Amino acid sequence: ETGVTQTPRHLVMGMTNKKSLKCEQHLGHNAMYWYKQSAKKPLELMFVYNFKEQTENNSVPSRFSPECPNSSHLFLHLHTLQPEDSALYLCASSRTEQETQYFGPGTRLLVL
Amino acid sequence: SQELEQSPQSLIVQEGKNLTINCTSSKTLYGLYWYKQKYGEGLIFLMMLQKGGEEKSHEKITAKLDEKKQQSSLHITASQPSHAGIYLCGEEETSGSRLTFGEGTQLTVNP
Repeated sequence: ETGVTQTPRHLVMGMTNKKSLKCEQHLGHNAMYWYKQSAKKPLELMFVYNFKEQTENNSVPSRFSPECPNSSHLFLHLHTLQPEDSALYLCASSRTEQETQYFGPGTRLLVL
Repeated sequence: SQELEQSPQSLIVQEGKNLTINCTSSKTLYGLYWYKQKYGEGLIFLMMLQKGGEEKSHEKITAKLDEKKQQSSLHITASQPSHAGIYLCGEEETSGSRLTFGEGTQLTVNP
């Protein structure tokens, strides 16, 4: 499926690095989401954007900084991450915040 | 504490066998979603259930929501290796509320 794409698919970074994850949706949706998936834990919602406006920040540390320049693109800027931030980061989109979410393939992040 | 419980945590079946995965909430739900995830990849939407007693099918996968809207089961008939993956249920407590996911059920289908 190519409705929601994420790049890069894999990322290794040091704790002092700055990197960005990118998500793009081609579905004409207005809401976009970032989730974190760690081993043996449920999916954790991080951020929600609706029509480019952030509508939810689920107590995420400031070393994660989201950006939504338009309804089709969502970024997650990373800086001074910790090894425990290593996880699969999933992007999702939905037509409205009340409708079904469709997920991208994820970015597998490893922080050394 | 985990409010959405999935069982079993993992399941290994022989190809051709039927299987059931359960998802139980401590609350009455507005909606219940089922997703499938291949290891290390994104979630693929399977079905969404809203009405008590509702049942939906897609190919060989059937999902049901109980009358109280607190428990859902996902049933796979004549399983295939292509059914292998992690099955996640997500609950929507009220209309438009955020999805809360279970920990997932890891399904392995041996040929």
